[in-house]
Amino acid sequence: AQRVTQPEKLLSVFKGAPVELKCNYSYSGSPELFWYVQYSRQRLQLLLRHISRESIKGFTADLNKGETSFHLKKPFAQEEDSAMYYCAVGSGGSNYKLTFGKGTLLTVNP
Amino acid sequence: NAGVTQTPKFQVLKTGQSMTLQCAQDMNHEYMSWYRQDPGMGLRLIHYSVGAGITDQGEVPNGYNVSRSTTEDFPLRLLSAAPSQTSVYFCASGQGDTEAFFGQGTRLTVV
Repeated sequence: AQRVTQPEKLLSVFKGAPVELKCNYSYSGSPELFWYVQYSRQRLQLLLRHISRESIKGFTADLNKGETSFHLKKPFAQEEDSAMYYCAVGSGGSNYKLTFGKGTLLTVNP
Repeated sequence: NAGVTQTPKFQVLKTGQSMTLQCAQDMNHEYMSWYRQDPGMGLRLIHYSVGAGITDQGEVPNGYNVSRSTTEDFPLRLLSAAPSQTSVYFCASGQGDTEAFFGQGTRLTVV
């Protein structure tokens, strides 16, 4: 069974500092990895997915199959980045059976 | 375009009561899913559907029923509410390999 581990429940950084949210997964087969973000009082929304290789809002994430990791990074954090971040893996390449990590609450201090 | 709409937003139930959480999407998406979000647990899949008339269990299906009679609607039924079902419930929909779109959530308290 797939599993997603986000080791940090809370992460606090200052504005302008680099930020890295860790995500490790276990999955047999070819995983599809996602980062979802939930801002205060808003619905969960997709931040980025590994197959698109995009940079969204300055965030990037690289899939490292050797280390089974999909860490989310941003070189200069902004206050508006404060949110709950969830790493997720799609089952069998699909997006309707997502396995989520427990989430990391990022706080960016002024 | 409303996206994924969940009703109600808040609900308080007594132990043993039954109720239905509604989820509707207007994007003609083929698949829909229900998750529950608990503190420190992330989101866990309850049930999902890959099309009208097709449903299957997720990770935590006990105590919940679903049906998918139309493409648009995917209601989640609590048969006999228990305090352990106090949670925030999210419905999601998607098509093919696109992202999953989530509703605003329903905050349920069972007393």
